[in-house]
Amino acid sequence: DIQMTQSPSSLSASVGDRVTITCRASQSISSYLNWYQQKPGKAPKLLIYAASSLQSGVPSRFSGSGSGTDFTLTISSLQPEDFATYYCQQSYSTLTGFGQGTRLEIK
Amino acid sequence: EVQLVESGGGLVQPGGSLRLSCAASGFTFSSYEMNWVRQAPGKGLEWVSYISSSGSTIYYADSVKGRFTISRDNAKNSLYLQMNSLRAEDTAVYYCARDGGRAGVRAFDIWGQGTMVTVSS
Repeated sequence: DIQMTQSPSSLSASVGDRVTITCRASQSISSYLNWYQQKPGKAPKLLIYAASSLQSGVPSRFSGSGSGTDFTLTISSLQPEDFATYYCQQSYSTLTGFGQGTRLEIK
Repeated sequence: EVQLVESGGGLVQPGGSLRLSCAASGFTFSSYEMNWVRQAPGKGLEWVSYISSSGSTIYYADSVKGRFTISRDNAKNSLYLQMNSLRAEDTAVYYCARDGGRAGVRAFDIWGQGTMVTVSS
C-alpha cells in the first residue's frame, strides 16, 4: 500500500499569512494527488486535483505543486474561512488513500 | 442541484449488520464511478470501497474486505453499502463520494453529508 504522510499535523497561522502544507508519498505517484478541505461537521471539499489543477469555484489563493513523491498545498493569503483541516489523497493506486490531515488553526 | 444523500446509519451491536444507501440527483449517476469513505470520531478520512459506473469493477480496503459489499442500482440512482460482522472500529461517519475523474486523475468532487454508524453493545 502507498502511505501518505502530511506535515505538519497542525499549524497555527494568522489571517493574511502564507501557509504551506506538505504531503509525501511512500513511492512515486506521478501527479495523482488531490487536496481536500474539511470543516468541523461537514463533508470534505475538493480543492486541487492532479497535483496542481484548481477545482472549479475554489479561490485562486489555493495552489498545489509537486510530482513524484513530494507535494505542497499553498494558501497565499489566509482568510478566516480557510481555518479547517486539509487532507491529501493519492489516486495512483486502485486502493486510494488519504494523508492523516493537517489542522490549520487561528493564531 | 448535484447532490448525494446518505441514509441508513444508526446504532448496531457488534457482529450485526447494516445497509447504507446513497441517493444521487442532479447528474447522470450511471456515468460515474462511486466510493464510500468513512471517518471515525476525531480521526482522519479512510477510503472504504469503490465501484465502477457499470458495477462490474469493485475494490475494498483491506479493513473491510470480506465483511462489506458495495453495490449500485443505476435505474434508481442509488449506491449501497452492505455492512456485516460489524466491529467497534467500524464506528464512523460514512460518506458516499462521486469520482469526478478530473484530467485522468480520480478525484472525489461531490460528497454526501454523511451518515453515522455506531457499533456498540
